Amino acid sequence: GENVEQHPSTLSVQEGDSAVIKCTYSDSASNYFPWYKQELGKGPQLIIDIRSNVGEKKDQRIAVTLNKTAKHFSLHITETQPEDSAVYFCAPRSGGSYIPTFGRGTSLIVHP
Amino acid sequence: KAGVTQTPRYLIKTRGQQVTLSCSPISGHRSVSWYQQTPGQGLQFLFEYFSETQRNKGNFPGRFSGRQFSNSRSEMNVSTLELGDSALYLCASSLGDRENGYTFGSGTRLTVV
Repeated sequence: GENVEQHPSTLSVQEGDSAVIKCTYSDSASNYFPWYKQELGKGPQLIIDIRSNVGEKKDQRIAVTLNKTAKHFSLHITETQPEDSAVYFCAPRSGGSYIPTFGRGTSLIVHP
Repeated sequence: KAGVTQTPRYLIKTRGQQVTLSCSPISGHRSVSWYQQTPGQGLQFLFEYFSETQRNKGNFPGRFSGRQFSNSRSEMNVSTLELGDSALYLCASSLGDRENGYTFGSGTRLTVV
């Protein structure tokens, strides 16, 4: 099965700073790369995704970049705000599978 | 549109009992997946139902089972509960293709005492 690693496991930043979380996967057939945000007491929420034919995608303060050759993709959050504090999960999915493999999560803490 | 509804939100059960959790997916979504979330193991895939059939299954014992009804609503059952079954159980609704992601419910927090 797919091996997924997320780094760092914890990220602490000051409000207004940028944050980057990296996800490394092993299956070269992976073609769908989403990021989920889980706030306390809630289920994960899909915040941005990218497909293998695209290198970068932006949505306001968040962006995802994909490097298929190196088999990793990253979540970028600019101008962080306290409400960005949450656990973020990557969940790449192989083209041959309906089921994604979730990373272990990154706890992002934004200090006001 | 309405989100994914999971009931109940909280449950406390005794070892050896059984429990049934319910999930109502987003209208039009035919796939329901179930995940167990614990601090030590992260998000672990239990099973996926698509059009009333179990299409994929994770590595959990047979005490964990599920089903899906014709309206796409799904239930999961855990029999002979163990202390280690204490977790947040999440339901994820999707179109069931390989092109889109999940919409999760808020989960059911199960505590086994």
